[in-house]
Amino acid sequence: DAMVIQNPRYQVTQFGKPVTLSCSQTLNHNVMYWYQQKSSQAPKLLFHYYDKDFNNEADTPDNFQSRRPNTSFCFLDIRSPGLGDAAMYLCAIGEGDRPGVASRPQHFGDGTRLSIL
Amino acid sequence: GDSVTQMEGPVTLSEEAFLTINCTYTATGYPSLFWYVQYPGEGLQLLLKATKADDKGSNKGFEATYRKETTSFHLEKGSVQVSDSAVYFCALTQSNSGYALNFGKGTSLLVTP
Repeated sequence: DAMVIQNPRYQVTQFGKPVTLSCSQTLNHNVMYWYQQKSSQAPKLLFHYYDKDFNNEADTPDNFQSRRPNTSFCFLDIRSPGLGDAAMYLCAIGEGDRPGVASRPQHFGDGTRLSIL
Repeated sequence: GDSVTQMEGPVTLSEEAFLTINCTYTATGYPSLFWYVQYPGEGLQLLLKATKADDKGSNKGFEATYRKETTSFHLEKGSVQVSDSAVYFCALTQSNSGYALNFGKGTSLLVTP
């Protein structure tokens, strides 16, 4: 059974129209991550939550926001998508013993491929 | 900062050939090392890991040994199958200061019958 579920698998939105991607997990891991992966590139971390503590990467654009209403769910909000935001968005979960430390390898969902018209 | 360098792809092999994908890293401290595999249209799956020097990670016939003296974590498989065709990512995370996976650029592998 899938441990990390991302919906939808494919999302199409219009230039500038807000879009939300969702991620849920079945393992109650305390850390959740969002990565952006552009075509033929490595995944790049956007931000992560340690429990309810939000940690933004320094180079993540302000256009990207995230919410984690409870342990199981995490959302990625793109406020005004541009053409450069077309990518695969990967959610991952992990376990950390204390803030900033990942004690076990991350498990990834299958991703949401976002297209911008 | 920390970084991971992988051999450039694509790599094309015939079925049952021997596979090596080179990976070297630069890091302070004592990173943990991983290989992830990504099949077309899917997310990343953990293939194997090693958390300290001289550890050997293995899974599904793949192996990699954490070599601190050469800062390497090369992926090997003795006999590849068509189903191994995918993109392979080498990655590290720091146990004492990091939480994100720092990925190499990925190596695309195509195995032909």
